Amino acid sequence: SQTIHQWPATLVQPVGSPLSLECTVEGTSNPNLYWYRQAAGRGLQLLFYSIGIDQISSEVPQNLSASRPQDRQFILSSKKLLLSDSGFYLCAWRATDRHTGELFFGEGSRLTVL
Amino acid sequence: SQQGEEDPQALSIQEGENATMNCSYKTSINNLQWYRQNSGRGLVHLILIRSNEREKHSGRLRVTLDTSKKSSSLLITASRAADTASYFCATARQGAQKLVFGQGTRLTINP
Repeated sequence: SQTIHQWPATLVQPVGSPLSLECTVEGTSNPNLYWYRQAAGRGLQLLFYSIGIDQISSEVPQNLSASRPQDRQFILSSKKLLLSDSGFYLCAWRATDRHTGELFFGEGSRLTVL
Repeated sequence: SQQGEEDPQALSIQEGENATMNCSYKTSINNLQWYRQNSGRGLVHLILIRSNEREKHSGRLRVTLDTSKKSSSLLITASRAADTASYFCATARQGAQKLVFGQGTRLTINP
């Protein structure tokens, strides 16, 4: 069966520090991968998605970047965090043979920038 | 821009009652999906309804889709305290690789 792992679960970082959130998927090949951000009590904002290794689409220009160095690994990064980067970050995957099928989410990473 | 917009933003009912949440969207879609999120957790897929379907059932869940009105509803029957969560609709456009989520409805079931 497929599983998705996301870490760290919680992170407190000072303004201006770097960020790296990691997501890995097991039990499937060539998944579509997604990073969403959720502000407190709000909906999900799509940040990045990837249909293959080194193929990243950015939805919202901002202080973040994403990389996919391996088929089932998706990394969200920042060189210098801003206060506005605080939020709940969710990684998700979807089978590529189901272009508009369901997403499977990780448990999220809560980032607080101080 | 956000596709799905849920209504109401918050709903509080007594256990055993039915809960209805609505979702409106703006453009043509391939399908519409509903997800559930417990506080501080990831989202879990509940049900998917395709654009050529009008109604779908899964256990105590009933979803309707009206493409002429660009709206959907999620009905949870015989609610339980464990149904307390936020519920989101998400839309997928034809040929698109991504799902766009609404702001969600926060459902509270009072015992």
